[in-house]
Amino acid sequence: TQLLEQSPQFLSIQEGENLTVYCNSSSVFSSLQWYRQEPGEGPVLLVTVVTGGEVKKLKRLTFQFGDARKDSSLHITAAQPGDTGLYLCAGFPMDSSYKLIFGSGTRLLVRP
Amino acid sequence: GAGVSQSPRYKVTKRGQDVALRCDPISGHVSLYWYRQALGQGPEFLTYFNYEAQQDKSGLPNDRFSAERPEGSISTLTIQRTEQRDSAMYRCASSFLAYEQYFGPGTRLTVT
Repeated sequence: TQLLEQSPQFLSIQEGENLTVYCNSSSVFSSLQWYRQEPGEGPVLLVTVVTGGEVKKLKRLTFQFGDARKDSSLHITAAQPGDTGLYLCAGFPMDSSYKLIFGSGTRLLVRP
Repeated sequence: GAGVSQSPRYKVTKRGQDVALRCDPISGHVSLYWYRQALGQGPEFLTYFNYEAQQDKSGLPNDRFSAERPEGSISTLTIQRTEQRDSAMYRCASSFLAYEQYFGPGTRLTVT
């Protein structure tokens, strides 16, 4: 069974602080994705990383895919209250192009 | 344009009753997925359709769960003889490209 473990599970920080969320597995994934989910809504795709070692930036968010394609991180610079939400990593296993495996999520609260 | 829609948004049913959950994908999306999401967790894959063909149903928990997409558009997830452990958020997603899934708002099912 392929699992994605996220840490931390919960994070409460002050506006303006930086944070990093980690997504780890013992399995190799063909690609990893990060989603953000707000209450009452479905997950919304933020980014897809495909190549080992790849780094993608989306405004204040930086995503990295591990060299071995087993882990990923999401770094947020100068967090804002609007960043509050559930952050989910998800990966496509090597043997599937459609079956997303989701992590358990990191619930982020950014206090003004 | 319209996103993925699901109905009903909330369903309360008594143990032993059958329920049918509906998903209306984004127009033109050939692929459709059903997931189940427990509170505070990431979605868990249930089944996948490519057009009207159910390509993978490996995530369906048992034979009380079934899904169909007869005309390659709207899909229905049916749970027969519901049990309390079936209570969860059921999410549908659709995609044109497999790695870019768009999620609906979900149906929260409560079995009493």
